[in-house]
Amino acid sequence: GNSVTQMEGPVTLSEEAFLTINCTYTATGYPSLFWYVQYPGEGLQLLLKATKADDKGSNKGFEATYRKETTSFHLEKGSVQVSDSAVYFCALSEGPTFTGANSKLTFGKGITLSVRP
Amino acid sequence: ETGVTQTPRHLVMGMTNKKSLKCEQHLGHNAMYWYKQSAKKPLELMFVYSLEERVENNSVPSRFSPECPNSSHLFLHLHTLQPEDSALYLCASSQDQTLSEAFFGQGTRLTVV
Repeated sequence: GNSVTQMEGPVTLSEEAFLTINCTYTATGYPSLFWYVQYPGEGLQLLLKATKADDKGSNKGFEATYRKETTSFHLEKGSVQVSDSAVYFCALSEGPTFTGANSKLTFGKGITLSVRP
Repeated sequence: ETGVTQTPRHLVMGMTNKKSLKCEQHLGHNAMYWYKQSAKKPLELMFVYSLEERVENNSVPSRFSPECPNSSHLFLHLHTLQPEDSALYLCASSQDQTLSEAFFGQGTRLTVV
């Protein structure tokens, strides 16, 4: 089945530091890949996505590139801010299979990022 | 604001109570989902509805009972819960189930005492 593996957390950085959060996946077909962010006390929000190999998703200074050869979708930001403190989830969505099974989002465990001033 | 609204935001209930969680979306989406988020565990997909029909039930105990009366509303009826059911329950919707992203509500923080 499909799975998403994220690096262990939590991660604590100083403001303006460089951020990398690793994500690798296992899928039988050609999934779309997503990063979701959950700010304290909130639900999940889509941060960025990529739908095919070599696509780069970007939003709010965050970027992630869909690497089919390494089955990875690592999240990066050049200079983090205190307001980026949140939980980050990597996820994949795969279309219906030939057996007719429905697609769904598969999430990683999430990683907590804390940015100190 | 994602367009998906959940009520209540917080709920405390006893193990013998019956309560319901409500989710509403006016995004024109055809698929709706219930997820459970517990501390230090991955998001758990509980139920999936597509065009108001339940298409997935991931071995969820019968004390959780979903209802989807129309494409804009989704309920989760709760009865005789256990303390380990305390968690954040998230509702989500998507255009359909084919390679589309989900929009999440803010969740209901449930505490079972």
